Amino acid sequence: NAGVTQTPKFQVLKTGQSMTLQCAQDMNHNSMYWYRQDPGMGLRLIYYSASEGTTDKGEVPNGYNVSRLNKREFSLRLESAAPSQTSVYFCASSEVPGTLNSPLHFGNGTRLTVT
Amino acid sequence: QQQVKQSPQSLIVQKGGISIINCAYENTAFDYFPWYQQFPGKGPALLIAIRPDVSEKKEGRFTISFNKSAKQFSLHIMDSQPGDSATYFCAASGAGGTSYGKLTFGQGTILTVHP
Repeated sequence: NAGVTQTPKFQVLKTGQSMTLQCAQDMNHNSMYWYRQDPGMGLRLIYYSASEGTTDKGEVPNGYNVSRLNKREFSLRLESAAPSQTSVYFCASSEVPGTLNSPLHFGNGTRLTVT
Repeated sequence: QQQVKQSPQSLIVQKGGISIINCAYENTAFDYFPWYQQFPGKGPALLIAIRPDVSEKKEGRFTISFNKSAKQFSLHIMDSQPGDSATYFCAASGAGGTSYGKLTFGQGTILTVHP
């Protein structure tokens, strides 16, 4: 049981390049999320998908787009990377969000550097 | 902007000591308060969570204390061990409806437990 799998683990981009971060979960969870983690700022929600076929903006959506490809997969796309998007990106999933018995399950992150 | 403020940024304790991390929130609509633990190179993992209908929850050496009137909550780690050395995040969210488990995280506390 792999849980939440993120690819790639590391990526270096030049300013203006585009890329897609991939995320897949094998827990049959309905909800999926993308967070970014920056030093001293905790984790901030970029986009989320409450269920298959729906997506919505989080706290910091500018510069990103998402696709909920199916129940398992939720991708994050940077169309034109900027140095401000240098961060560690975490994908997460949950069965029933916001409950004591259904926490967010996080992947191990993608470390992105934009030069 | 919804905020959760966490302190201290870093904490050093001796093995066997008590580690205390504090968080304060502003949004009275929050009603789910989890703590996440993160080891280097890994994603955060749920440690313990509480709802505001109780003032304290204990799981092994970990206790959440919750003060609804002060809008504060804290994590106590009793008998701290070197294996507890990690980054700890408090978080908060509303329940149900459009909240969809959108956690607002604190800034994180780096805990170091010396043997």
